[in-house]
Amino acid sequence: QSALTQPPSVSGSPGQSVTISCTGTSSDVGSYNRVSWYQQPPGTAPKLMIYEVSNRPSGVPDRFSGSKSGNTASLTISGLQAEDEADYYCSLYTSSSTWVFGGGTKLTVL
Amino acid sequence: EVQLVESGGGLVQPGGSLRLSCAASGFTFSSYEMNWVRQAPGKGLEWVSYISSSGSTIYYADSVKGRFTISRDNAKNSLYLQMNSLRAEDTAVYYCATLYTVIDAFDIWGQGTMVTVSS
Repeated sequence: QSALTQPPSVSGSPGQSVTISCTGTSSDVGSYNRVSWYQQPPGTAPKLMIYEVSNRPSGVPDRFSGSKSGNTASLTISGLQAEDEADYYCSLYTSSSTWVFGGGTKLTVL
Repeated sequence: EVQLVESGGGLVQPGGSLRLSCAASGFTFSSYEMNWVRQAPGKGLEWVSYISSSGSTIYYADSVKGRFTISRDNAKNSLYLQMNSLRAEDTAVYYCATLYTVIDAFDIWGQGTMVTVSS
């Protein structure tokens, strides 16, 4: 079982916005800003989309944004496009010198 | 081109061993901390192991501790994962990934190599 809880699935129509949540505890998500998000289209390797809660690596469209409130981090994708259909995972470094991933969320573009 | 290429996966019987390799190119491998992350068929990502740039610091997930050994050869730009006492639940695609320490994020990923543990 994951220490980070994500909804199994979300969906939206092209052009709409969707938000994927990642819920932890006051000891992890609530205490640190090292939350990252990864996109994994079917049959491919994960790709870093957001780091430190809200920062985008070079080349990631600004349609992707991240935020955090309390023990929950969120990834918002605005102006949905068909190519955004993928699995999305949150991740963070824990105080036990390990890394943990959320269970993953499947985004369907209707 | 920045690249990580895994190899060494395959079919192995329960209790058997396998050694995975990850070849790095296009960046200064010796400066990067490295990890193995796996993904069971139809399941999510699971962090497996970490090794510092010099190899002096190593961490493992509880699920593989005592059975898997991570190592690296900076002269050969290569990362390894020795897997012993394999179990059916170790069946997964294994990815190597760099860790960008400053931001604690996995920023470069390989394409993965499949390990199947079955009799």
